[in-house]
Amino acid sequence: DIVMTQSPDSLAVSLGERATINCKSSQSVLYSSNNKNYLAWYQQKPGQPPKMLIYWASNRDSGVPDRFSGSGSGTDFTLTISSVQAEDVAVYYCQQYYTTQDTFGQGTKLEIK
Amino acid sequence: QVHLQESGPGLLKPSDTLSLTCAVSGGSINDFYWSWIRQPPGKGLEWIGYIYSTGTTSYNPSLQSRVTISVDTSKNRFFLILSSVTGADTAVYYCARRGNGGNDYWGRGTLVTVSS
Repeated sequence: DIVMTQSPDSLAVSLGERATINCKSSQSVLYSSNNKNYLAWYQQKPGQPPKMLIYWASNRDSGVPDRFSGSGSGTDFTLTISSVQAEDVAVYYCQQYYTTQDTFGQGTKLEIK
Repeated sequence: QVHLQESGPGLLKPSDTLSLTCAVSGGSINDFYWSWIRQPPGKGLEWIGYIYSTGTTSYNPSLQSRVTISVDTSKNRFFLILSSVTGADTAVYYCARRGNGGNDYWGRGTLVTVSS
């Protein structure tokens, strides 16, 4: 199994400031034949299902505000919120879909300072 | 817009068999992978498994001996069976479409509680 490890487990950011969440996979999720990283990011607000934010490590899903961006390749990935808004309070998860057995990170809780 | 809806019993006893249905609307179930994911109260997401519309499956190794996922393309539905449940199986169970880039559509989830 590929183990996904996120850091930090939680962070508190002031409104308008940048938030950075990291995700590390125990092996590469970059598929060399198509040069795609099989990595997605999700946002989950209390009482709601997860919502996809980013796919292929850096592609923003439809309707996702452009303050959300994904970067990285191979084993190290980052989700950045350029200017945190109150509605961004949530738990964020990374997920690899490189193998036939998907795995999620443990989640990172974002709060407002 | 694809819509997914989970349904099934909300309360089970230890050793019972959990059986859930995910109804897909707004799009065909054909030519996609369909996932089951669960979330124990206050904890993170755990992938259970997925099925392709033709019936090919993949399961979480930690659950493989107890899990079966199946599909009925004629009714645009897929199913989860988890046998011999214990309190550790108490969770919100989500179904989702596994598109090319990950799980792009999710149901709202259904809480399953295992208690004697």
